[in-house]
Amino acid sequence: LAKTTQPISMDSYEGQEVNITCSHNNIATNDYITWYQQFPSQGPRFIIQGYKTKVTNEVASLFIPADRKSSTLSLPRVSLSDTAVYYCLVGDGGNNDMRFGAGTRLTVKP
Amino acid sequence: EAQVTQNPRYLITVTGKKLTVTCSQNMNHEYMSWYRQDPGLGLRQIYYSMNVEVTDKGDVPEGYKVSRKEKRNFPLILESPSPNQTSLYFCASSSTGVTTNEKLFFGSGTQLSVL
Repeated sequence: LAKTTQPISMDSYEGQEVNITCSHNNIATNDYITWYQQFPSQGPRFIIQGYKTKVTNEVASLFIPADRKSSTLSLPRVSLSDTAVYYCLVGDGGNNDMRFGAGTRLTVKP
Repeated sequence: EAQVTQNPRYLITVTGKKLTVTCSQNMNHEYMSWYRQDPGLGLRQIYYSMNVEVTDKGDVPEGYKVSRKEKRNFPLILESPSPNQTSLYFCASSSTGVTTNEKLFFGSGTQLSVL
């Protein structure tokens, strides 16, 4: 299983762009990269998933360089409600191949 | 509304008293899973089920049991709870659990305290 490394915490201010980088040096050829968001007292929620280059949806963008050894979740113009823990996961064997680490705790300040 | 429903939301019990946490999904998903979340450790998988009558151990199965008699339900059973099982528990489901590009849908969690 590919292991991921993320910063434990990050602080930002409202209106700023936030980039959270995840390192996955041992990513396998067939692995996808998936990000989840967890608000306090709630279960994680799928944000975005990608395999290579760039993926964008209504919530975030995911940038994946050519070597795929890292990925960056980009949240444009964050608000206070974006305060949450963000998890980066890699795997290819279905949901049993996915491991949630400690995640990155993002705090958005006014 | 598509959802995963866990009950109860909060539970306080004493050591050794058997308890069951229920989980139900209304999306006709084949795959269901239980996680526990502890400070600094993220979510760790307890058990999972690929379909009715098919269950298997996750990373931390000791002290837990599960059953999958119906597709929609996946209860978590603690036969003899101990204080080290005090944790926040989440149930999750996805369509088949086979491919990684499926979304996992999580319940709202059950905060369990074992005294």
